[in-house]
Amino acid sequence: KAGVTQTPRYLIKTRGQQVTLSCSPISGHRSVSWYQQTPGQGLQFLFEYFSETQRNKGNFPGRFSGRQFSNSRSEMNVSTLELGDSALYLCASSMTGWVTDTQYFGPGTRLTVL
Amino acid sequence: AQSVTQLGSHVSVSEGALVLLRCNYSSSVPPYLFWYVQYPNQGLQLLLKYTSAATLVKGINGFEAEFKKSETSFHLTKPSAHMSDAAEYFCAVSDRRSNDYKLSFGAGTTVTVRA
Repeated sequence: KAGVTQTPRYLIKTRGQQVTLSCSPISGHRSVSWYQQTPGQGLQFLFEYFSETQRNKGNFPGRFSGRQFSNSRSEMNVSTLELGDSALYLCASSMTGWVTDTQYFGPGTRLTVL
Repeated sequence: AQSVTQLGSHVSVSEGALVLLRCNYSSSVPPYLFWYVQYPNQGLQLLLKYTSAATLVKGINGFEAEFKKSETSFHLTKPSAHMSDAAEYFCAVSDRRSNDYKLSFGAGTTVTVRA
């Protein structure tokens, strides 16, 4: 069974640009969560999608948005990039999003903002 | 709000020695608790999770953790360290009342293993 895949793995953008990251969950998983990992702030929850609906949201500005498609693939978008958005963005999938399931993480997309 | 504190940002152990990583939570209601490992340039891998009444939780790769409500702790241990255990370890919590994976992570502990 294929794991969680994230594309691209590495990305370089400049301030003010926007970026879209993609996450393909494990087959059969309907919940996708996104996390930001930085040296300063550590791992922080961004949002979670289940069956194309945002079910949970962390404390991030509106520049961070996401969506989920009918095949459970998810994208997150960051508009008007800032230097502080440089981070490893991780997505994770599980069947239902409840802790009774196991959540699997992808390898991440490393975003560098110049 | 749920939060966790990991004591010690770096731990160095000898191969074959006990690995002990400390995690304390702050919550009015005992939360769900998790330990994850992250190897360089990789995502997170779940080692174990505490979700039910069993306070001693066994995980993968020989790790286990014990939930102690009186101490608000969920320390991770492994009796004998291997070189392959060198990685960063994260403790995380989620709210038992919501039952979901909205995780709050600790700052992480980097483990190095000396030959």
